[in-house]
Amino acid sequence: EPEVTQTPSHQVTQMGQEVILRCVPISNHLYFYWYRQILGQKVEFLVSFYNNEISEKSEIFDDQFSVERPDGSNFTLKIRSTKLEDSAMYFCASSDSLGEQYFGPGTRLTVT
Amino acid sequence: AQSVTQLDSQVPVFEEAPVELRCNYSSSVSVYLFWYVQYPNQGLQLLLKYLSGSTLVKGINGFEAEFNKSQTSFHLRKPSVHISDTAEYFCAVSDFGAAGNKLTFGGGTRVLVKP
Repeated sequence: EPEVTQTPSHQVTQMGQEVILRCVPISNHLYFYWYRQILGQKVEFLVSFYNNEISEKSEIFDDQFSVERPDGSNFTLKIRSTKLEDSAMYFCASSDSLGEQYFGPGTRLTVT
Repeated sequence: AQSVTQLDSQVPVFEEAPVELRCNYSSSVSVYLFWYVQYPNQGLQLLLKYLSGSTLVKGINGFEAEFNKSQTSFHLRKPSVHISDTAEYFCAVSDFGAAGNKLTFGGGTRVLVKP
């Protein structure tokens, strides 16, 4: 069964450093998403991406965040200058035209 | 704007007993409804979804949910739980008929199944 994959599973970085989280969506999906879950809190939407541009973004997704689909398979989330409060589990998801989203296993980002 | 409320943050339940997890939503448009499960230290797995048709939806692992439009609810049930059902359960909504729309999640319900 096709699945969404994410790398790395755990990333530790120092405050102020740039991080790139990587995702490989399901191959025939056209819509891509990033969500995050701060420890003990609900899952929050960050951004959706379709046809090589952002469809929607939340208030959380400020200028420090960017997304990219650099080739036909990867979908990345970049945080330019990490803050302590960026520590969270980041989930990538993808969907087809039916809208059902399939989630990856997540990347745990720890900012020290 | 959409919102999802899961009324119970924690639900302890004995093995082989039934469980119901409550979910209410608010939205100005028709919605798709989902239940996801998150096992400890894992990602989100889709349990079941309501897109259209029958209001009683059956999912994996013996779970089912009923969509009630008048009460704007989508409660999740299982008649007999197992220890392995210990997990966190999230209710979520997205706009009906709009692919590529964000999911709005509830706060989650942590289910602890006791022997």
